[in-house]
Amino acid sequence: DIQMTQSPSSLSASVGDRVTVTCRASQSIGSYLNWYQQRPGKAPNLLIYAASSLDDGVPSRFSGSGSGTDFTLTISSLQPEDFATYYCQQSFTYSFGQGTKLEAK
Amino acid sequence: EVQLEESGGRVVWPGGSLRLSCTASGFTFDDYGMSWVRQAPGKGLEWVSSIDWSGGNIGYADSVKGRFTISRDNANNSLLLQMNSLRAEDTALYYCAREGSWRGFDMWGQGTMITVSS
Repeated sequence: DIQMTQSPSSLSASVGDRVTVTCRASQSIGSYLNWYQQRPGKAPNLLIYAASSLDDGVPSRFSGSGSGTDFTLTISSLQPEDFATYYCQQSFTYSFGQGTKLEAK
Repeated sequence: EVQLEESGGRVVWPGGSLRLSCTASGFTFDDYGMSWVRQAPGKGLEWVSSIDWSGGNIGYADSVKGRFTISRDNANNSLLLQMNSLRAEDTALYYCAREGSWRGFDMWGQGTMITVSS
């Protein structure tokens, strides 16, 4: 099984900050890596697929990079609506990372 | 409107069975692979099962293999999950999701809650 490990598990930041979340796969997954945002009480929302492609309607302040085993999600200038939990997921066998909760400082 | 709507969740005894449904609308259902993902209260996302557009390629998480069966009815735009031998650890909100480009889950329902408890 492919294990996905995110860091950090939680993060405190302020509006306007640049934020980075990392995700590591236990084996190479090429670019088969997705990122999701989940707000409290809501279903997850796809932000990025194929490691770096923004899904339709996702603001350009979100970006993704990486390949193989190491990936990053970056929010260039944090907005109030971005405080949420973020998950990575590999698309070979679909396992998710444990999540990163982004909270207001 | 493009949407997914799950149904079938309820309280069930340990060892019991339940069948979940997900009805799709607003898109060509049999163009897409579909998946079930669950989230236990206060916990993260866990992939449960996936099925390709034809039903010919299916996968399960180890935690549900042999107990859950995924299927689809393309004529009725429905995704199904038959859940047998339910355990307390199956308690979760169950989402259905559509597989888009590069198999990212680009559309989700609002979920249906299953509680396994005596």
